[in-house]
Amino acid sequence: AQSVTQLGSHVSVSEGALVLLRCNYSSSVPPYLFWYVQYPNQGLQLLLKYTTGATLVKGINGFEAEFKKSETSFHLTKPSAHMSDAAEYFCAVSTSGGGADGLTFGKGTHLIIQP
Amino acid sequence: EPEVTQTPSHQVTQMGQEVILRCVPISNHLYFYWYRQILGQKVEFLVSFYNNEISEKSEIFDDQFSVERPDGSNFTLKIRSTKLEDSAMYFCASSWGTGESETQYFGPGTRLLVL
Repeated sequence: AQSVTQLGSHVSVSEGALVLLRCNYSSSVPPYLFWYVQYPNQGLQLLLKYTTGATLVKGINGFEAEFKKSETSFHLTKPSAHMSDAAEYFCAVSTSGGGADGLTFGKGTHLIIQP
Repeated sequence: EPEVTQTPSHQVTQMGQEVILRCVPISNHLYFYWYRQILGQKVEFLVSFYNNEISEKSEIFDDQFSVERPDGSNFTLKIRSTKLEDSAMYFCASSWGTGESETQYFGPGTRLLVL
């Protein structure tokens, strides 16, 4: 079984400041890790994913995340926040077992951008 | 860019009625999924579907639920005898493959309200 913990249901940053959204996971097998973003009244859009290889992955809209196996973490960062980044962000994990596994999501973090 | 579509966007039903939620996955995708998100809670996996049969399902997906791919394009979720607690946003997703090819693309969701 796997689980995802996102620290902070709400994170508020000033425009232009660093964005850091935390995600820790537990998995009994090597995980695949994902960050999705949900804008108001829209579906989930993939920001980035980690499967194998390079542990620092870059995604859309200037976001990146680093897989740290020793810390079981996959934190999402962006150097400079923009007003358009205000949204709900979900970290998710699936197993590498090869079946059509469902994603296990965290509870989400609502990112607020202060002008 | 191809996308997953879902209909209807909103549905209101009476407790005990049957509802069918419809999804059109991305055309060359082979794996299909349903998730739900109860208001204020995390996104939860319901079921995955491949080669015209259920691949994986969660504890939530009991006999009240069924899925079907009635033709070459639609993927449906049927909820028999709806309960108040079925009120949620239901997301459909599709992916081309599994493992490293598993990037699930989500539709905009159907908001179901059971009265």
